[in-house]
Amino acid sequence: QLQLQESGSGLVKPSQTLSLTCAVSGGSISSGGYSWSWIRQPPGKGLEWIGYIYHSGSTYYNPSLKSRVTISVDRSKNQFSLKLSSVTAADTAVYYCARDLSGDEGGGYFDYWGQGTLVTVSS
Amino acid sequence: QSVLTQPPSASGTPGQRVTISCSGSSSNIGSNYVYWYQQLPGTAPKLLIYRNNQRPSGVPDRFSGSKSGTSASLAISGLRSEDEADYYCAAWDDSLSGGVVFGGGTKLTVL
Repeated sequence: QLQLQESGSGLVKPSQTLSLTCAVSGGSISSGGYSWSWIRQPPGKGLEWIGYIYHSGSTYYNPSLKSRVTISVDRSKNQFSLKLSSVTAADTAVYYCARDLSGDEGGGYFDYWGQGTLVTVSS
Repeated sequence: QSVLTQPPSASGTPGQRVTISCSGSSSNIGSNYVYWYQQLPGTAPKLLIYRNNQRPSGVPDRFSGSKSGTSASLAISGLRSEDEADYYCAAWDDSLSGGVVFGGGTKLTVL
């Protein structure tokens, strides 16, 4: 059974960089056909896709966040990471990592999710 | 303002059938698969429907999805109290400002 676990700082100061890691267990992050996404949900609001990294290492980001987002993978640790720079209070949210089965179909087919981690942006 | 449009709320009584709509455009629902997620309070979303109308194993057949043109629907029959949750639709968007797009979510209340 695949499991995803987010970790990272729960409190980030404005203008600094948010950093999160998603550890994958029960399967290899290098398996073909999958991409690995970050999705966030501000308190009391809906879901917003941040971006993904494909098993090949290629990335695709939400155009509205693209200038501030970096998603990378560490195959030796079977984990992938999110960095979001120049954060403001609007970036306060629960951040989820998820596996996407869409392959060549684009994206949106999230079959496994982490439990989510709350990141608060505040001085 | 979400790219996909859902009603903010829906309701029904136990045993009833309810439907939740999701409206998009030719660049998302009109040309790509639709996915539906159920989010119970305080938990991560759970995949409910994939590729417009397919159910993952373990999802009851009370849940069904459909798509027509640039709109999609989630139907829940035999409504149960444990179905009270937030429901989100999602799709890939092929436009330059695309990627994975979600609906704003529909809060389902079981009366």
